[in-house]
Amino acid sequence: EAAVTQSPRSKVAVTGGKVTLSCHQTNNHDYMYWYRQDTGHGLRLIHYSYVADSTEKGDIPDGYKASRPSQENFSLILELASLSQTAVYFCASSDRGNSGNTLYFGEGSRLIVV
Amino acid sequence: GDQVKQSPSALSLQEGTNSALRCNFSIATTTVQWFLQNPRGSLMNLFYLVPGTKENGRLKSTFNSKESYSTLHIRDAQLEDSGTYFCAAEARNNNNRIFFGDGTQLVVKP
Repeated sequence: EAAVTQSPRSKVAVTGGKVTLSCHQTNNHDYMYWYRQDTGHGLRLIHYSYVADSTEKGDIPDGYKASRPSQENFSLILELASLSQTAVYFCASSDRGNSGNTLYFGEGSRLIVV
Repeated sequence: GDQVKQSPSALSLQEGTNSALRCNFSIATTTVQWFLQNPRGSLMNLFYLVPGTKENGRLKSTFNSKESYSTLHIRDAQLEDSGTYFCAAEARNNNNRIFFGDGTQLVVKP
């Protein structure tokens, strides 16, 4: 079965510190995404990638960087974490092929910035 | 978001009853996905739709691209149906970007 795994699942970070959220997929999908969810709201796209060594900006990229070193791995980097970046972050993959653009999500990473 | 409006925002159902959730789109939409986020926070894909209707057990979903809306019908609601339902629209004119609604929070009561 398709699998997207995220780490860490939960993290407390200090304001101004660096945070790296990692995502690994075994779906053999070309597309990977990072979404942010704030309490009581839907998901908003931060960055995405459709091929290794390339990333694209989503709808809310400010304050975030992304890295796609291989097809399987996609990281989200907060160089200087801020209080406003407290949220749950979801990674997803899709292949835009046989299964269309169906999104497969990881379990989420809860980030608290203090 | 502005591109996808879900209604209602919250809903309480008695076990065994039926209901419908709706999404209206302000963007040209090629496909629609429905997700259930369970109380632990996990997101499960329920449907992936091109224009038309799909059914899976007690759930049925329709996507009408001409009138820019999608519905999710829940029949014979069960306690395990509780959670937040999200719809997501794939934009025709925005590099196939996917936009999410803010969700419908459903509570099924015994």
